[in-house]
Amino acid sequence: AQKITQTQPGMFVQEKEAVTLDCTYDTSDQSYGLFWYKQPSSGEMIFLIYQGSYDEQNATEGRYSLNFQKARKSANLVISASQLGDSAMYFCAMREPPFTSGTYKYIFGTGTRLKVLA
Amino acid sequence: NAGVTQTPKFQVLKTGQSMTLQCAQDMNHEYMSWYRQDPGMGLRLIHYSVGAGITDQGEVPNGYNVSRSTTEDFPLRLLSAAPSQTSVYFCASSSDRGGQETQYFGPGTRLLVL
Repeated sequence: AQKITQTQPGMFVQEKEAVTLDCTYDTSDQSYGLFWYKQPSSGEMIFLIYQGSYDEQNATEGRYSLNFQKARKSANLVISASQLGDSAMYFCAMREPPFTSGTYKYIFGTGTRLKVLA
Repeated sequence: NAGVTQTPKFQVLKTGQSMTLQCAQDMNHEYMSWYRQDPGMGLRLIHYSVGAGITDQGEVPNGYNVSRSTTEDFPLRLLSAAPSQTSVYFCASSSDRGGQETQYFGPGTRLLVL
């Protein structure tokens, strides 16, 4: 069964430093998508970054980058130059491919709570 | 575009009561999903739909019903509320256009069952 694992319940980082949030996944599919979402204290889910399983380069979006290591089945989120506004819950998610399962479901990890210190 | 909207934002129910959580999207997305979020457990899929008239169960469907009569709307019904259904409920929609299409989430409904 497909599974997403986030082993860090909580992380601290000093403002302006970089931080890596870990995510490992388990799937037998060759085609899949990996996502990171941010959930601030206000509760909304904010899409951050996407990595396709066939993408050869690591995805980047501004201060966010995804360290994709396919053989190790890991998709770590790197936040550079942390800001106080980055304090939030971060979720890693994987999307099943619709053309193999006939479904279109996302599986989420349990999340990592990041606190940025001034 | 309003995106994904959910009503109500907050609801208190007594055990045994029924209610419907509303979800609507104006992006013409085929796929819609309902999740519940509980502390330490991430988001768990309750039900999902791949188009009008087509629904299926997710990971935790018991105690919930859904229907999809239109592309836009995907209501979630609690048949007989239980304290274990106290949670935050998110509706999401997405489109199978390939590439990096992601889910778009509603603002959530916070439900308390006494």
